[in-house]
Amino acid sequence: DQQVKQNSPSLSVQEGRISILNCDYTNSMFDYFLWYKKYPAEGPTFLISISSIKDKNEDGRFTVFLNKSAKHLSLHIVPSQPGDSAVYFCAASARYTGNQFYFGTGTSLTVIP
Amino acid sequence: DTGVSQDPRHKITKRGQNVTFRCDPISEHNRLYWYRQTLGQGPEFLTYFQNEAQLEKSRLLSDRFSAERPKGSFSTLEIQRTEQGDSAMYLCASSLERGRGNTEAFFGQGTRLTVV
Repeated sequence: DQQVKQNSPSLSVQEGRISILNCDYTNSMFDYFLWYKKYPAEGPTFLISISSIKDKNEDGRFTVFLNKSAKHLSLHIVPSQPGDSAVYFCAASARYTGNQFYFGTGTSLTVIP
Repeated sequence: DTGVSQDPRHKITKRGQNVTFRCDPISEHNRLYWYRQTLGQGPEFLTYFQNEAQLEKSRLLSDRFSAERPKGSFSTLEIQRTEQGDSAMYLCASSLERGRGNTEAFFGQGTRLTVV
């Protein structure tokens, strides 16, 4: 059963505009959430994370928002750049799982120059 | 380069052969994870180590799979009697668990296994 879901397989955005990637989860025990970026034939690269005690975390152009009541998080990239074109994975973990990370199926972002 | 290193990057093997992959984590990291990723899916958890102890194994890890981390540093993942369904990207990740809460894991570039 998929505990972390990314319902949009792909997203296209114009360069300079905002990219919003969404993620939903079902397990209320998750207390730590991460976003990874992945290029073809490479491993995922850590982007940004957020603990369940927060509702927002920002790092440069990347901001993650967490809505615990809706079990939803999103990644905002602004302004979007062509180099941001990649597959983005949302992941979640809980202390009781030993920090095993559960991943969504990914959203392929294309930033159009 | 002090990131997570995996070897080999690519492996093609005939069905029924055994294969072994190696992962060298970031040196100070005490946790090491193995994941598997197939096309169109996110990484799926296989197993993880805290130092040399294997603390959890996924149901995905059949008895043909075995992982070791003998000295709490590098790790190996062996697949015996490979099947075509084992074809995937095998990802290793490491993290530093300080006992103060969750922390991010850093991934290697993966080993792409093709079973023919």
